[in-house]
Amino acid sequence: DTGVSQDPRHKITKRGQNVTFRCDPISEHNRLYWYRQTLGQGPEFLTYFQNEAQLEKSRLLSDRFSAERPKGSFSTLEIQRTEQGDSAMYLCASTLPYGFQETQYFGPGTRLLVL
Amino acid sequence: DQQVKQNSPSLSVQEGRISILNCDYTNSMFDYFLWYKKYPAEGPTFLISISSIKDKNEDGRFTVFLNKSAKHLSLHIVPSQPGDSAVYFCAASTGNQFYFGTGTSLTVIP
Repeated sequence: DTGVSQDPRHKITKRGQNVTFRCDPISEHNRLYWYRQTLGQGPEFLTYFQNEAQLEKSRLLSDRFSAERPKGSFSTLEIQRTEQGDSAMYLCASTLPYGFQETQYFGPGTRLLVL
Repeated sequence: DQQVKQNSPSLSVQEGRISILNCDYTNSMFDYFLWYKKYPAEGPTFLISISSIKDKNEDGRFTVFLNKSAKHLSLHIVPSQPGDSAVYFCAASTGNQFYFGTGTSLTVIP
């Protein structure tokens, strides 16, 4: 399987706990994006990486959220002190490295439920 | 503010007929547009895209039309099949960021 993978697929946690999600992009893709999707909405941009560099962050990404891509391969998204409003599907996508116009390929997502 | 809008939350079409999904955008700087299909419990799957220098792109049963003056794009599926039943998202890009609509749930009735 050469697609984007995410782990875990589901996470239930109590308010105030920390959670970490992992994304493994398609191997030759050097750009990696994180999105959040809530019910009835489209994916909302959170942040993206070009190799290991985090180049842009949305204002949606509060200081409780941090993302890393230490070796330019897999990425992690951590949420500290989770709140019920963090309950959502967290999607990762990666893009082909060449060309002006990119097409993103999405992973299956991690569904987070904060109780 | 929602820069990409899909004003029809749902659409039902008979099998074999044409499905037309619409999308409007507000940012004239968008230069690349995409359609994604999403099944429950899965991530969005890329379907078809179009550059702002074109007004039509076709791939099998799927055709995307872009009307830049109206800031409107549409996805045509002909003929529609039951397996096309899914949520369809349009997305627009200025380069590094992608903006998604809220989706249209398409049901193709056998």
